[in-house]
Amino acid sequence: AQSVAQPEDQVNVAEGNPLTVKCTYSVSGNPYLFWYVQYPNRGLQFLLKYITGDNLVKGSYGFEAEFNKSQTSFHLKKPSALVSDSALYFCAVRDITGGSYIPTFGRGTSLIVHP
Amino acid sequence: DGGITQSPKYLFRKEGQNVTLSCEQNLNHDAMYWYRQDPGQGLRLIYYSQIVNDFQKGDIAEGYSVSREKKESFPLTVTSAQKNPTAFYLCASSVEGLPLHFGNGTRLTVT
Repeated sequence: AQSVAQPEDQVNVAEGNPLTVKCTYSVSGNPYLFWYVQYPNRGLQFLLKYITGDNLVKGSYGFEAEFNKSQTSFHLKKPSALVSDSALYFCAVRDITGGSYIPTFGRGTSLIVHP
Repeated sequence: DGGITQSPKYLFRKEGQNVTLSCEQNLNHDAMYWYRQDPGQGLRLIYYSQIVNDFQKGDIAEGYSVSREKKESFPLTVTSAQKNPTAFYLCASSVEGLPLHFGNGTRLTVT
């Protein structure tokens, strides 16, 4: 079985400050991990993924995420937030060894960046 | 430009009517998916299809039906049996193991 948790419904940060959006996961085997962003009334856009290799993954728009196997976490980060980063962020996991190629999505975290 | 097209963007129906949501992709992806999004509940999988003429139920398939007669198309029918059909519906496609590509969604309102 695979599952993902985003413990914060909302994250507030001031423009220019670093931001973190948290994600923890549970899989039986090894995970593929993904972050997506959704703007109002739009579909999800892919930001970055971890499959294997370096634990620090860099993605679109200056975002990065750190894979931590011992803590089963994959937190999304950005050194300096922009007001335009305000959106809904989804973490997703897929168990590579579980036989399913269908990812499981978290409930989403609303990021609000204040000017 | 490759992508996924969902139509219409907004759809209004009376209770008791079936309605079909369109999803077309020109990415040459084998797999296609339908998700339902409700506020605070994330994305819930309705149906998915790995190849033409084959599809499987997801977590919340009751009251929905799909077909996959062509690789490019994966329409979703919301039937009158769906108890609470008002939602934002998202279609996606992928190559196995790679990130999903999403359409821009259809917002269905049933009154």
